[in-house]
Amino acid sequence: GAVVSQHPSWVICKSGTSVKIECRSLDFQATTMFWYRQFPKQSLMLMATSNEGSKATYEQGVEKDKFLINHASLTLSTLTVTSAHPEDSSFYICSASPRGATWETQYFGPGTRLLVL
Amino acid sequence: KNEVEQSPQNLTAQEGEFITINCSYSVGISALHWLQQHPGGGIVSLFMLSSGKKKHGRLIATINIQEKHSSLHITASHPRDSAVYICAVTGNQFYFGTGTSLTVIP
Repeated sequence: GAVVSQHPSWVICKSGTSVKIECRSLDFQATTMFWYRQFPKQSLMLMATSNEGSKATYEQGVEKDKFLINHASLTLSTLTVTSAHPEDSSFYICSASPRGATWETQYFGPGTRLLVL
Repeated sequence: KNEVEQSPQNLTAQEGEFITINCSYSVGISALHWLQQHPGGGIVSLFMLSSGKKKHGRLIATINIQEKHSSLHITASHPRDSAVYICAVTGNQFYFGTGTSLTVIP
């Protein structure tokens, strides 16, 4: 149980286009979902926290107009990288916290590798 | 200075060896996590603990709250254990270590 999926697993796009990444909790309802970014050989960096039905909370330094997050249901959150540029190339990971659990309980998705040309 | 420090950064072991990865933190925490990240990137949560010791198969995690230190032990290591092991703590937010890259050679 407690499986989180991400789609797509990898994406290559041209500079200036927008890319949407989906994060789904497959067998549980997730009140809270988290979006992380990871650069090569570095640790995870929390970008934002999204709660179902409300606006996401962004970490300092993360542009909310650049990284649009929508948590429309208890099983789906989306991250849209708008007008992507090569510096947005990274590994994006989501995690989900089950309803009823504390936020420290997180199940991670497999990640989405984004390459912007 | 990072809130979470791991050592060693890189570790190579022979199959069957006992492995220890250390994690020290400097913030007040409610829980400490050990995560495993495979070469493909996917992350698996191994342990979440706030005191004492937990065991799952060949993996053992311990935490000493007073010393702000945790260790992850792998007994009878196997090549499939090769991965990056990440220590993370939760206080008022998540703090991640930079990971320990483990390679187990057959």
